[in-house]
Amino acid sequence: GNSVTQMEGPVTLSEEAFLTINCTYTATGYPSLFWYVQYPGEGLQLLLKATKADDKGSNKGFEATYRKETTSFHLEKGSVQVSDSAVYFCALYNAGNNRKLIWGLGTSLAVNP
Amino acid sequence: DTAVSQTPKYLVTQMGNDKSIKCEQNLGHDTMYWYKQDSKKFLKIMFSYNNKELIINETVPNRFSPKSPDKAHLNLHINSLELGDSAVYFCASSQEASGGALRFFGPGTRLTVL
Repeated sequence: GNSVTQMEGPVTLSEEAFLTINCTYTATGYPSLFWYVQYPGEGLQLLLKATKADDKGSNKGFEATYRKETTSFHLEKGSVQVSDSAVYFCALYNAGNNRKLIWGLGTSLAVNP
Repeated sequence: DTAVSQTPKYLVTQMGNDKSIKCEQNLGHDTMYWYKQDSKKFLKIMFSYNNKELIINETVPNRFSPKSPDKAHLNLHINSLELGDSAVYFCASSQEASGGALRFFGPGTRLTVL
């Protein structure tokens, strides 16, 4: 079946540090992959997406590349800010999976000044 | 001009009570969802409606009953509330014609059952 595995948090970094949050997936066919972010007290919002192999999604300094050979979609940012403190969710969408978005468990990121 | 709105934002109630949460989207989307997020941030799909028709109904106690009066609204009614129902409930919407994968979330309703 389809599944998403994210690295466990919490992740704590100092401002301007490099961020990587690992995400790997299991799926049949050619899923689309997403990163959503949830800031404290808010709903989730789409951060970036990639719909086919080797696509790179990017937004707000964050990047993730769809790697079919390693079934991964790791989230990276070169220099984090305090305002990036949030919970990050990796997700997978497979059109044949009854329209369900498969979610990772979320990774909490805290950035200290 | 909020895209997906929910009311109330906070709901504190006693065990055994019945309560409702309302959701409205003004994006013109044809699909709406209810998610439950527990204290560990685990996100679980509960229901999905497409054009007022139920298309996803996960293993949720039948104390939970969604109602979609039109495609812009999806309400959640909960009977006989239990302590374990305490969570944040998120409404979301999407447009199937554009793949259905992009979800637009409401701000959440924090339900506390005492």
